[in-house]
Amino acid sequence: AQSVTQPDIHITVSEGASLELRCNYSYGATPYLFWYVQSPGQGLQLLLKYFSGDTLVQGIKGFEAEFKRSQSSFNLRKPSVHWSDAAEYFCAVVNSGGYQKVTFGIGTKLQVIP
Amino acid sequence: GAVVSQHPSRVICKSGTSVKIECRSLDFQATTMFWYRQFPKQSLMLMATSNEGSKATYEQGVEKDKFLINHASLTLSTLTVTSAHPEDSSFYICSAVHTLAKNIQYFGAGTRLSVL
Repeated sequence: AQSVTQPDIHITVSEGASLELRCNYSYGATPYLFWYVQSPGQGLQLLLKYFSGDTLVQGIKGFEAEFKRSQSSFNLRKPSVHWSDAAEYFCAVVNSGGYQKVTFGIGTKLQVIP
Repeated sequence: GAVVSQHPSRVICKSGTSVKIECRSLDFQATTMFWYRQFPKQSLMLMATSNEGSKATYEQGVEKDKFLINHASLTLSTLTVTSAHPEDSSFYICSAVHTLAKNIQYFGAGTRLSVL
């Protein structure tokens, strides 16, 4: 069964600092990988996705993520964090065989301090 | 594009009553929609997969008679929490899969259900 691990439950960064949120997955083949962001009391917004091709994917709001097959990782990065980036971030994996169930990581809560 | 509307955003009800939550894909057709439940400070837990024109597929441990799902059209799925009890209080989120982009789920804004 596929699984997603987000080892950092809570991260605090200063505004303007760089950010990296970690995500590791377990899946037999190459999965489809996603990062979603959730603001308090809101639904999930898709930041970016990886299906195939270039392993460095660009998303909205200045985020990017890099797929590393050898490490089974799909870490999310942003060079300079803004206060509005404070939210919960979920890494997710979908079976590449079709539109199947999404498996979410437990989430990483990002706090941004001035 | 790819907007999913979920209504209501918040509902408070008395124990024993039923509550209906709607999930609509506003600008695309969705043959498949998903319903999730999210407990405080936890990830999303898939409750059921809703397929247009057929019965929903429920995850293990989810009571299908308590959480009734209807997907009557390509743009609407409803979740009815029947005979709600305080332990049903939670954040419910739906998602819809675009028929032309089957690997991406678009999420609604969620419904906060509080059962008194």
